[in-house]
Parts: sequence; C-alpha cells; structure tokens
Amino acid sequence: KAGVTQTPRYLIKTRGQQVTLSCSPISGHRSVSWYQQTPGQGLQFLFEYFSETQRNKGNFPGRFSGRQFSNSRSEMNVSTLELGDSALYLCASSFPGQGVHEQYFGPGTRLTVT
Amino acid sequence: EDQVTQSPEALRLQEGESSSLNCSYTVSGLRGLFWYRQDPGKGPEFLFTLYSAGEEKEKERLKATLTKKESFLHITAPKPEDSATYLCAVRDYGQNFVFGPGTRLSVLP
Repeated sequence: KAGVTQTPRYLIKTRGQQVTLSCSPISGHRSVSWYQQTPGQGLQFLFEYFSETQRNKGNFPGRFSGRQFSNSRSEMNVSTLELGDSALYLCASSFPGQGVHEQYFGPGTRLTVT
Repeated sequence: EDQVTQSPEALRLQEGESSSLNCSYTVSGLRGLFWYRQDPGKGPEFLFTLYSAGEEKEKERLKATLTKKESFLHITAPKPEDSATYLCAVRDYGQNFVFGPGTRLSVLP
C-alpha cells in the first residue's frame, strides 16, 4: 500500500507571498492532519480534517488554512508568508472509525521563506 | 491542557549499551500513547501504540511500556542504525494529538 505523499518536497518563497501544500493520504484513510516542525518548537499541530470537515485546530493564526476534498486529499495554505513560517510541514493520515488510530506521516514539505 | 515531556533531550550510547527513554504526560483523558522514530529530514515513522497502564509492546530491540503518568521506550543492545530522534505523543478524548519534544539518540559503533 502506498504511503502518505506530499508535494512539493521543497519550496522557497519570499516574505509576503502565499503557498499551497498538498497531501495525499494512504488509501482508505479519511482523516488528515497537518503539523509544523521547527528545531525550536518541535512538532506543532495545525489542523485535522475528517470527511471534508475541520475536526480540530491548533493555535496558529488565520493565515494558516486548509481543506480536504471528497477523495480525502488535503491542501494547506499559508498566506502573507513570514520568515518564521520556514519549517518542515508534515501531513499525517489515519484510519477512521471507532477507537484510537495511529497517524502515518508523509515525508514533509520543506518550506524556506526568504 | 495536555502536556508531554521527554527525557533525556539527547543520549549517546555505545553499540550494545542498553538504556531507556522517558515520556511523561499530563492529559485530561488518555485515549492512546504513541511512539515514533524520526530520521533527519524525514517524517516520523510509527512504532507503537499503548492504550492502558500496564501494557507493553515489543519490536526487535525496542520495548515500550506504559504507566498512568509515563511511558518508557527501552532499547536493548542498540545498533548504530537505531540512531534517530524518538518522539512520544498522546491523544486525548477531545481527539487532540500532542507531541513531546523528542529524544535524540546516537549509537556509536
């Protein structure tokens, strides 16, 4: 079974621009979460989508947004980029249903803001 | 608010020298505790899920245990390829997923 895929893998943007990152979950997984990882803050939760609805949201400004499509693929958007947005953005998918399910991560998108 | 701390921050071991990593958590209602391994520049790789105190899980040289306040990842006779950052995370009844800062493990040949 193919793993979680993220595109692009690397991205360089200028301060003030906006960026869209894409995530394709493991086949059959309907929950997708996004995380920001930086050396200083570690892994921080951005938001989670399930069946095209945002189920949870972390403590990030409104410049960070996301959406999920009917095929469970997800995108996240960051507008008005700041230097501090430089990070590894990770997408994780999990199997829906009752019980607690582990998340499987993609390789990440390395965003550099100059 | 859920909190996860991990210790030590970094650990250097000689090949074959067994040790343990600690994950301490405060959560309103634990639905599951997860261990991940992360290599530099890559996404975390799932290792274990633990659900209740007293539970143990093993995989090759790794063994994870869980109490009501902490979890341990025991590494027996580690090899250089075990070098990575080990992350602990908890999921609560509100479906929140909180990660700890990780322990950077280096195993020297």
